[in-house]
Amino acid sequence: EPEVTQTPSHQVTQMGQEVILRCVPISNHLYFYWYRQILGQKVEFLVSFYNNEISEKSEIFDDQFSVERPDGSNFTLKIRSTKLEDSAMYFCAGARDTEAFFGQGTRLTVV
Amino acid sequence: QKEVEQDPGPLSVPEGAIVSLNCTYSNSAFQYFMWYRQYSRKGPELLMYTYSSGNKEDGRFTAQVDKSSKYISLFIRDSQPSDSATYLCAAAYNTNAGKSTFGDGTTLTVKP
Repeated sequence: EPEVTQTPSHQVTQMGQEVILRCVPISNHLYFYWYRQILGQKVEFLVSFYNNEISEKSEIFDDQFSVERPDGSNFTLKIRSTKLEDSAMYFCAGARDTEAFFGQGTRLTVV
Repeated sequence: QKEVEQDPGPLSVPEGAIVSLNCTYSNSAFQYFMWYRQYSRKGPELLMYTYSSGNKEDGRFTAQVDKSSKYISLFIRDSQPSDSATYLCAAAYNTNAGKSTFGDGTTLTVKP
């Protein structure tokens, strides 16, 4: 069964460094999303991506965040200058219509 | 006020019990309502979604939405230890589940 895959599963980075989180959505998905979940807190929407552009973003998704789908398969989230409070699980999701399929997440630890 | 509020739990039940998980929401523009199951340190897994008011059944799981009271429920019949997980309710404005707004989650433990 196809699934959304995310790499790496765990990333440790120093504060101020740039990180790129990668996702390979299911091939027939049209809509792509990034969510984050700080430990012990709710899943929060970051950004949605459709037709090679951002369709919606939350107030969390500020100028330090960016997304790309550079080659038609990978979908990336870049955090330019990480802060301690960026430590969280980051989930990629894809959807063709109503059903959104989530990846297993990347646990980002900023030290 | 949170847009989606979920009974916090945790909830512990014996195997075979009927489980009721509940959420309320504040934004009447929400049209799609989802239930996800999340195991520890894993991604949310979609269990069911419902459009507008009504019931939807899938095996041991039944989702109910009452838009008049802005109330969302998930019932699990004949609960099993494998049902132990955190259950997340979510709501969205449009069909692609775009900007889903999640509740905080309810952790369920089903004891053998």
